[in-house]
Amino acid sequence: GAVVSQHPSWVICKSGTSVKIECRSLDFQATTMFWYRQFPKQSLMLMATSNEGSKATYEQGVEKDKFLINHASLTLSTLTVTSAHPEDSSFYICSAWTSGSSTDTQYFGPGTRLTVL
Amino acid sequence: LAKTTQPISMDSYEGQEVNITCSHNNIATNDYITWYQQFPSQGPRFIIQGYKTKVTNEVASLFIPADRKSSTLSLPRVSLSDTAVYYCLVGDIVDTGRRALTFGSGTRLQVQP
Repeated sequence: GAVVSQHPSWVICKSGTSVKIECRSLDFQATTMFWYRQFPKQSLMLMATSNEGSKATYEQGVEKDKFLINHASLTLSTLTVTSAHPEDSSFYICSAWTSGSSTDTQYFGPGTRLTVL
Repeated sequence: LAKTTQPISMDSYEGQEVNITCSHNNIATNDYITWYQQFPSQGPRFIIQGYKTKVTNEVASLFIPADRKSSTLSLPRVSLSDTAVYYCLVGDIVDTGRRALTFGSGTRLQVQP
């Protein structure tokens, strides 16, 4: 299947610093990517929809000024957690749609573990 | 988006067939059913996708009755490595709006030796 990569796979940072997470579609173009967050023992929660060349759409309760999303190309979306705090520690996962002959499929990246000290 | 209901957890033994059923009573005409597998600290992995009747691939089968209000993921002869959380998602995957699929609570499958 299609491959979506994320970098880094894990990151530890100090409280108050910013962290950037990259999401790439490796063998296909993705005009739309999605960012999810997953806390331990919980399901994935959609944070925002990243649109190439336009502003991201954020879900209710997600601070757009704290979680900056940039989708500058058809294969790359970035999520920057600004002024990170311990409560931002979580597993961040991106996804992208691929187009099949008759149906589309959403593929997910391997995730990025963020730990804020 | 259609809401899904799955059992919270299931237990099985190696070599057995496992069937996980998902209810989606308000599935829309254009909605497809997609199943994902997730291991700890990994992103969800696509397993199978279907619209109606039966779909089979190299890892699983998906059974969808005529009313499409439920679906059953069938894993033949599970092994210890199939221990994971399985998510059933329902959504319009051909919608040009490309909306994200909504995750439910998933089913935690534990395979015993």
